[in-house]
Amino acid sequence: ETGVTQTPRHLVMGMTNKKSLKCEQHLGHNAMYWYKQSAKKPLELMFVYSLEERVENNSVPSRFSPECPNSSHLFLHLHTLQPEDSALYLCASSQDATNEKLFFGSGTQLSVL
Amino acid sequence: AQTVTQSQPEMSVQEAETVTLSCTYDTSESDYYLFWYKQPPSRQMILVIRQEAYKQQNATENRFSVNFQKAAKSFSLKISDSQLGDAAMYFCAYRSPGTASKLTFGTGTRLQVTL
Repeated sequence: ETGVTQTPRHLVMGMTNKKSLKCEQHLGHNAMYWYKQSAKKPLELMFVYSLEERVENNSVPSRFSPECPNSSHLFLHLHTLQPEDSALYLCASSQDATNEKLFFGSGTQLSVL
Repeated sequence: AQTVTQSQPEMSVQEAETVTLSCTYDTSESDYYLFWYKQPPSRQMILVIRQEAYKQQNATENRFSVNFQKAAKSFSLKISDSQLGDAAMYFCAYRSPGTASKLTFGTGTRLQVTL
């Protein structure tokens, strides 16, 4: 049983669509993260939120827009994506942004047509 | 910038045998953390074991242990008494101490466990 839940599990979208990925953590953590996992590439950190404030943005294109309305929820809003954005998007949380123990969700497998 | 290299894209081990997964990293820092994460078909990344660079003793968690060679910048994972449930992708990761928890991952090793 995971303490970090991601929905949807799979998503197929066209390049002109707008969709959102959702992440919810039930662990009482204060930091949340978005990672991108592409085939045969290392996981890439996209965004870090600590106490609902964005503390890191790793040069991610503006077509990805994160939102953290509270410490339990994290969204990734997607619009006008490209086929190369197809990947597994993983959410993670930790006690706080200095804690190295991350808890991951099961990800959203995104396909952009 | 730190880099993490896993040179074995795939490994195979027979059930009950022992297997070692390799990881090397590059850093100029003296204090850092190293991790092995497991990603089964369910896709959820699970922390297997962690090592603090200032500790000379190798970390151990049940059937999982590491061989940490700081001078060689090597951090291998040994799985003893392999089980079918150990089949997964294994990722080595590095973290600098700092204000934001930022892991640098390797490309992963796919472990198959055969009967």
